[in-house]
Amino acid sequence: NAGVTQTPKFQVLKTGQSMTLQCAQDMNHEYMSWYRQDPGMGLRLIHYSVGAGITDQGEVPNGYNVSRSTTEDFPLRLLSAAPSQTSVYFCASSRTYMSSGNTIYFGEGSWLTVV
Amino acid sequence: TQLLEQSPQFLSIQEGENLTVYCNSSSVFSSLQWYRQEPGEGPVLLVTVVTGGEVKKLKRLTFQFGDARKDSSLHITAAQPGDTGLYLCAGAMNSFGNEKLTFGTGTRLTIIP
Repeated sequence: NAGVTQTPKFQVLKTGQSMTLQCAQDMNHEYMSWYRQDPGMGLRLIHYSVGAGITDQGEVPNGYNVSRSTTEDFPLRLLSAAPSQTSVYFCASSRTYMSSGNTIYFGEGSWLTVV
Repeated sequence: TQLLEQSPQFLSIQEGENLTVYCNSSSVFSSLQWYRQEPGEGPVLLVTVVTGGEVKKLKRLTFQFGDARKDSSLHITAAQPGDTGLYLCAGAMNSFGNEKLTFGTGTRLTIIP
């Protein structure tokens, strides 16, 4: 019963490097999203997808790209890492985009440090 | 500007005591959720409240949605060390046919045995 799986768990990047955070869910959920969590800021939405082939920007999309080629996978790409992108990243999925009567499942998080 | 303010930011109490944490906004939400997050893990949904004035109970936890659907509270009775964690509220707003979920800043709760 995997749920939402994120990899890697920890990553250190140098400024300017690129990388991809992987996210996979095995619940056949239509809606997937990426958040970042910073001290005192709560969770902020980066990008989201309401289904395969459809993505949209959230609250803080700059510096990040996403794609949704399959229902299961929703990778987050950092194009040119900056120290401001040091954060904990969470992938989430749910059956639909509506929160009412709908459980959102989060992955365990990916700790990213940009030096 | 933070849409959802949670208070207190930190709370440390003795086991067995009661406590209330608050989630406040000037915006109206279609629904509001409460999550608990433990160190090294993602948030886990506790409850969703939808109707203004709604009260939901989950064992020793009581959740209330304000009449105007702008605020919510979480009350814990006889707190236990297992209640320790970061409590997050999240409000849902409908915008142009899509629903956006906005998270509060969180209340970090520590229950001292």
